[in-house]
Amino acid sequence: QKEVEQNSGPLSVPEGAIASLNCTYSDRGSQSFFWYRQYSGKSPELIMSIYSNGDKEDGRFTAQLNKASQYVSLLIRDSQPSDSATYLCAVKGNNRLAFGKGNQVVVIP
Amino acid sequence: DADVTQTPRNRITKTGKRIMLECSQTKGHDRMYWYRQDPGLGLRLIYYSFDVKDINKGEISDGYSVSRQAQAKFSLSLESAIPNQTALYFCATSDFGGWDPSNVDTQYFGPGTRLTVL
Repeated sequence: QKEVEQNSGPLSVPEGAIASLNCTYSDRGSQSFFWYRQYSGKSPELIMSIYSNGDKEDGRFTAQLNKASQYVSLLIRDSQPSDSATYLCAVKGNNRLAFGKGNQVVVIP
Repeated sequence: DADVTQTPRNRITKTGKRIMLECSQTKGHDRMYWYRQDPGLGLRLIYYSFDVKDINKGEISDGYSVSRQAQAKFSLSLESAIPNQTALYFCATSDFGGWDPSNVDTQYFGPGTRLTVL
């Protein structure tokens, strides 16, 4: 089992809709969790971090963490064309980050 | 000025050549990392350093070496480049901040170096 899994294929959402991304992880000792946004050919940019169970909201973004079920999700409300990017889930454990392969989001105007 | 800089931004080289990629940061962070990114494989950790005297291998260190010249500088070397080292390379930094769970040790990435080995 891979450490961090993002299984969904490319996600197409209409402008103004909610995009929902999911990520599961294997290490129960994982301490903190991150969502990065990466535009093609650019570096990953931090969107959200979360370390306790529940929801954390920042603007149009909400991260949800459920340690018992070992998943973390990201909701993007009122999706904009500028949200079109690849979203990377990252999980911290043993002093390092493990990354998922990413989910591509395409927002259709 | 950018907080994390990488040089060069693009490099094309030939098999067997020695290559050094450099990373500098002005964030004052103590921790620095080197990753490579390949299509379909995501980001993979090559080496990391928690301070000038600390160097640790990541998951794919074979064929690479690093040097932490100062708190602000961390270099990655390919002693004898091979074509399957063609990838996008990122440096990242973080500030540990202590053992409280709220100190999540967020990593911030440089702009990347696109390396092609022919």
